[in-house]
Amino acid sequence: DADVTQTPRNRITKTGKRIMLECSQTKGHDRMYWYRQDPGLGLRLIYYSFDVKDINKGEISDGYSVSRQAQAKFSLSLESAIPNQTALYFCATSDSGQLDYGYTFGSGTRLTVV
Amino acid sequence: TQLLEQSPQFLSIQEGENLTVYCNSSSVFSSLQWYRQEPGEGPVLLVTVVTGGEVKKLKRLTFQFGDARKDSSLHITAAQPGDTGLYLCAALNTDKLIFGTGTRLQVFP
Repeated sequence: DADVTQTPRNRITKTGKRIMLECSQTKGHDRMYWYRQDPGLGLRLIYYSFDVKDINKGEISDGYSVSRQAQAKFSLSLESAIPNQTALYFCATSDSGQLDYGYTFGSGTRLTVV
Repeated sequence: TQLLEQSPQFLSIQEGENLTVYCNSSSVFSSLQWYRQEPGEGPVLLVTVVTGGEVKKLKRLTFQFGDARKDSSLHITAAQPGDTGLYLCAALNTDKLIFGTGTRLQVFP
């Protein structure tokens, strides 16, 4: 099994629908992140969580919400999807005590809003 | 505002050629990381550099952190098709990683 698992891998949804992207990890890391990737823009941070009771907005949080259900689970919701939220979404984890070891990423969810 | 700018944005070369990718910022960072991302997968960490002027080698890849810790470069010697991918630099900004715009490398046989 992958260290960081994202579901679904691909999703097509209609404008206005609510959608949830899920992420689970087996790394035992305390920190989890949601990033969005668009061509030419790199990865942009949506939300992050340093602990189960900690939720922080990132660079582009408008239109998104998150829930940290357990140390190993971090879900991203789009309350009312719009076409410009079409993108590749990545979940990542890190260990607060070993930041130089980098982030571990999932394989991504490709979301299309029509 | 993009804190980390990468150049070039695209690079298409023949197998065996050498290349250099740059990551520049006006900010000073305590450390900088390089990731490679292949199609259908998330980025994977290649290296972390932490000291100004530091040089690290990973087989045919050479990473350098600028003396002022504002920039970094990645040099690939004798590129191979397996080096094809998106190369991303990243730096810690108040305890979370920010990423550069990426360099998409294509190596043709």
